[in-house]
Amino acid sequence: EVQLVESGGGVVQPGGSLRLSCAASGFTFGAFAMHWVRQAPGKGLEWVALISGDGEDTKYADFVKGRFTISRDRITDSLFLHINNLRAEDTALYFCAKDSGDYGDYVCDSWGQGTLVTVSA
Amino acid sequence: QSAVTQPASVSGSLGQSITISCTGTSSDVGYYNYVSWYQHHPGKAPKLLISDVSNRPSGVSSRFSGSKSGRTASLTISGLQPEDEADYYCSSYTSSSTLVFGTGTKVTV
Repeated sequence: EVQLVESGGGVVQPGGSLRLSCAASGFTFGAFAMHWVRQAPGKGLEWVALISGDGEDTKYADFVKGRFTISRDRITDSLFLHINNLRAEDTALYFCAKDSGDYGDYVCDSWGQGTLVTVSA
Repeated sequence: QSAVTQPASVSGSLGQSITISCTGTSSDVGYYNYVSWYQHHPGKAPKLLISDVSNRPSGVSSRFSGSKSGRTASLTISGLQPEDEADYYCSSYTSSSTLVFGTGTKVTV
């Protein structure tokens, strides 16, 4: 059974940085691309980023503007999202999701339950 | 990124059928057959219902079906059940090699 467990969220001051993690199990981690998707309070889902199974290719939403970095570790089967210069509008529940393909079918076939990031002074 | 629009809410009675629309542009929904649909009960992990416009993964009820015409994709839920009350999102691959989600639809049974 695929399991995705996010961690690393919390309350951060504006301008601060954070690293979110997603521990994956139940599938061959390196064989699938992975996504980060976020949901601001009371809002809909918003795609953030994708990384290919081998970690060589990444794609980002336009709003990221260089502040976010997606990465993965095939030894620990973990996905990461580094966020710099946090803004109030980054306050959201951040989900990691498994793609159905290795280079990105852009289909999120399994999801975690999310980790909450709150940006507040 | 372009906006993919869905109705904010749709309601139906037990056993009825409802359809949720997902309208995009010629750079996403209108060009690619890479439209997916997700069900999200708040507080839980979202669940994939449909991929590639109309493909239903194993384990997903046959009451859920997808289609597309032009720039608009649709999700139909037949035989509405209480557990279908949730938020529903479409998504589409885009010409920028990104993913865009629809604005979301709250379904009330």
